[in-house]
Amino acid sequence: DQQVKQNSPSLSVQEGRISILNCDYTNSMFDYFLWYKKYPAEGPTFLISISSIKDKNEDGRFTVFLNKSAKHLSLHIVPSQPGDSAVYFCAALTYNTDKLIFGTGTRLQVFP
Amino acid sequence: DTEVTQTPKHLVMGMTNKKSLKCEQHMGHRAMYWYKQKAKKPPELMFVYSYEKLSINESVPSRFSPECPNSSLLNLHLHALQPEDSALYLCASSQDPSRAQPQHFGDGTRLSIL
Repeated sequence: DQQVKQNSPSLSVQEGRISILNCDYTNSMFDYFLWYKKYPAEGPTFLISISSIKDKNEDGRFTVFLNKSAKHLSLHIVPSQPGDSAVYFCAALTYNTDKLIFGTGTRLQVFP
Repeated sequence: DTEVTQTPKHLVMGMTNKKSLKCEQHMGHRAMYWYKQKAKKPPELMFVYSYEKLSINESVPSRFSPECPNSSLLNLHLHALQPEDSALYLCASSQDPSRAQPQHFGDGTRLSIL
């Protein structure tokens, strides 16, 4: 039972353009959503998060949008840079469980 | 640079060996976690320690034994592992287990079982 899904296994974007990574979830009890970036041979690095009471959170080049009615969130990176090339995981949890559920990941490649 | 430090980075062991993975954080975080990640898969939660007490065990086989000696250290003791246990083992910590906050990960231990 995959509660958090990333349906695009890979995405290729030109440098300077916008990257949009998508994530869908099935559990309406999730309270908090996060995005992580992972380079090979490193652990996941926290990027940005959003509470279920909000619909947008922005931090520099990164913006996360949450659509609760559609059970969908997205990460926008603008402008995209070659150093952004990595695997991106969305993740979700409920406040009373402390159990982080990861999506399957999307590999982003930013080319010059 | 990660603020969660895991040792060793790589470990090769036979099925009859006993070894331990170590994790350390000095951020004052009160929750610590073990995850297992297989190739091309997302991390999967194994254990959660909250205020140095085991709060979640995700039905992990007893050949994996976690230990939290103090608020900064987390160990994972390994014994009689199987080849399918070969994976990347990630440790993470978060500031307050009673609040939804980001978990910060170490770079992991790459474990190979012969």
